Amino acid sequence: EDQVTQSPEALRLQEGESSSLNCSYTVSGLRGLFWYRQDPGKGPEFLFTLYSAGEEKEKERLKATLTKKESFLHITAPKPEDSATYLCAPFAQGGSEKLVFGKGTKLTVNP
Amino acid sequence: DAGVIQSPRHEVTEMGQEVTLRCKPISGHNSLFWYRQTMMRGLELLIYFNNNVPIDDSGMPEDRFSAKMPNASFSTLKIQPSEPRDSAVYFCASSFVGGPSEQYFGPGTRLTVT
Repeated sequence: EDQVTQSPEALRLQEGESSSLNCSYTVSGLRGLFWYRQDPGKGPEFLFTLYSAGEEKEKERLKATLTKKESFLHITAPKPEDSATYLCAPFAQGGSEKLVFGKGTKLTVNP
Repeated sequence: DAGVIQSPRHEVTEMGQEVTLRCKPISGHNSLFWYRQTMMRGLELLIYFNNNVPIDDSGMPEDRFSAKMPNASFSTLKIQPSEPRDSAVYFCASSFVGGPSEQYFGPGTRLTVT
């Protein structure tokens, strides 16, 4: 059974303090991975799709990277508005549309 | 586009009552997903449909849960009878079939069963 682990569970940063979130997984025949952002009281919001090991994607202060066994979400010089829970969901090659999400990392950025 | 629409946004009911959650997917999307989110278990897929047909319902916890998609623009998730342990946030999401492809989530329904 596919397993997805995100670490840390919670992370507190000062504004401008860069860091990384980790998503590790055991997925047979990994094809790619989704990253989502979830604000309190809202549904998850799509951020990135990564399709191959070595691929990187960026959006504002966020950069996502992918290897065969883990993905990182790097946050450079974060701002308070980056505070949210970040979720990852790997998917398999030729797989169904069923996604298994990690439990997320709750990021808090203090001004 | 209005995005995925869910109703109600909040539901408080007593144990034993029937609960019906509703979802309208994004127009043109032909896959629809029902998820449940709790602090303990995170975001879990309950069931998903392709072109209105249920494909995988292995996440439906018990026979008390049922879901229907009578047409491309409407789906329901029903719990009968409800129990306190069903308290959670229920999300509906939609995507283009042929995935996996990115799913777009609604705002969720917060269900409290007392």
